[in-house]
Amino acid sequence: EAGVTQFPSHSVIEKGQTVTLRCDPISGHDNLYWYRRVMGKEIKFLLHFVKESKQDESGMPNNRFLAERTGGTYSTLKVQPAELEDSGVYFCASSQAGRNTEAFFGQGTRLTVV
Amino acid sequence: GQSLEQPSEVTAVEGAIVQINCTYQTSGFYGLSWYQQHDGGAPTFLSYNALDGLEETGRFSSFLSRSDSYGYLLLQELQMKDSASYFCAVRVLNNDMRFGAGTRLTVKP
Repeated sequence: EAGVTQFPSHSVIEKGQTVTLRCDPISGHDNLYWYRRVMGKEIKFLLHFVKESKQDESGMPNNRFLAERTGGTYSTLKVQPAELEDSGVYFCASSQAGRNTEAFFGQGTRLTVV
Repeated sequence: GQSLEQPSEVTAVEGAIVQINCTYQTSGFYGLSWYQQHDGGAPTFLSYNALDGLEETGRFSSFLSRSDSYGYLLLQELQMKDSASYFCAVRVLNNDMRFGAGTRLTVKP
């Protein structure tokens, strides 16, 4: 069974450009989470999808960030326009429905804004 | 909102036992998870406690006290490969999951 996959693994863009990150969760997982980790700090919550619906997007920093999950399958996270402080590693995780379930993480996308 | 506190760094020697504590403040608490992350890698699941008490999985054990809003991860017979960051995470209302800042464990020979 394929795990959580994220694309691209690395992205270097200039300030003001647009970047779209993609996450393919494990098939059948209703829950999909986006997180960001900056330079060894906390794994900061961005948002949580249940199927195609945004359950909680309270962690999204501002309106430059837009997340979608069309059809409840893969998800994209678009940053437009990117700023220097958006640099970090963006992780996606998925889990099955239910409270006591393990979340599986992708390898992350390392975003560098220069 | 939620907040989690855990030590930023812990150092121990091979073969020793180390305990990483986590205290949390949150509403709608379901349970406490622990994840391990090696440098450059993805966080991987270690354990989940929904009820009070100790859960043992091989060399790793995790404990939860809901009344104290406290938990810990216990690592026994430490090995060099255990050097990594360890995160506690609360599972809250609507299955949201929030992480602490992580504890960097360094195992020395």
